[in-house]
Amino acid sequence: QSALTQPPSASGSPGQSVTISCTGTSSDVGAYNSVSWYQQRPGKAPKVVIYEVNERPSGVPDRFSGSKSGNTASLTVSGLQAEDEADYYCSSYAGSTNFVVFGGGTKLTVL
Amino acid sequence: EVQLVQSGAEVKKPGESLKISCEGSGYSFFGYWIGWVRQMPGKGLEWMGIIYPDDSRTIYSPSFQGQVTLSADKSISTAYLQWSSLKASDSAMYYCARFRGATFRQTWFDPWGQGTLVTVSS
Repeated sequence: QSALTQPPSASGSPGQSVTISCTGTSSDVGAYNSVSWYQQRPGKAPKVVIYEVNERPSGVPDRFSGSKSGNTASLTVSGLQAEDEADYYCSSYAGSTNFVVFGGGTKLTVL
Repeated sequence: EVQLVQSGAEVKKPGESLKISCEGSGYSFFGYWIGWVRQMPGKGLEWMGIIYPDDSRTIYSPSFQGQVTLSADKSISTAYLQWSSLKASDSAMYYCARFRGATFRQTWFDPWGQGTLVTVSS
């Protein structure tokens, strides 16, 4: 069982928006502005799309956005495109003992 | 271009030892922590530990402490993940990734290596 809880699947049609949640605790997501999101396409390595809750690395489309409220973080993908179909993982700093925890991943399907 | 290149796929028998590598280029390798992440077949990401190549400081996940060893050789910009006695349950894809946060409280990883597939079977 993963430390952070994500829905196993999400879907949307091209052009629509979809939001993926990531629920942790007051010891990880709720304690630090350290939530990051990773996109993993089939057979590929993960790639960061959001870091520090809502920061976007250069090269990542502004269709990707992040937010956090309490112990739950969210990734929103607006204007869905076929290329967004992938697995998405959230991650958070969890203190000096556990350090980093991941969510179980959400498979995003573009219908 | 900042890049991490991992060693190739390995097929081993239970009880054998193994050391896989992750070579960095395009940046000052010694100055950034390198993390390791396991992904078992069809499963999610699991953080294993991180190492600071400049002085080989390490932080292990409690789940992997004592099961694996992280090391680094800053002279050749390479980090390593090793096992002394493999088990079938170690079969997985292993990724290295560069730590990017200004502090641990801002942890994120970028870029990631391409992954090394380890298969342990008798």
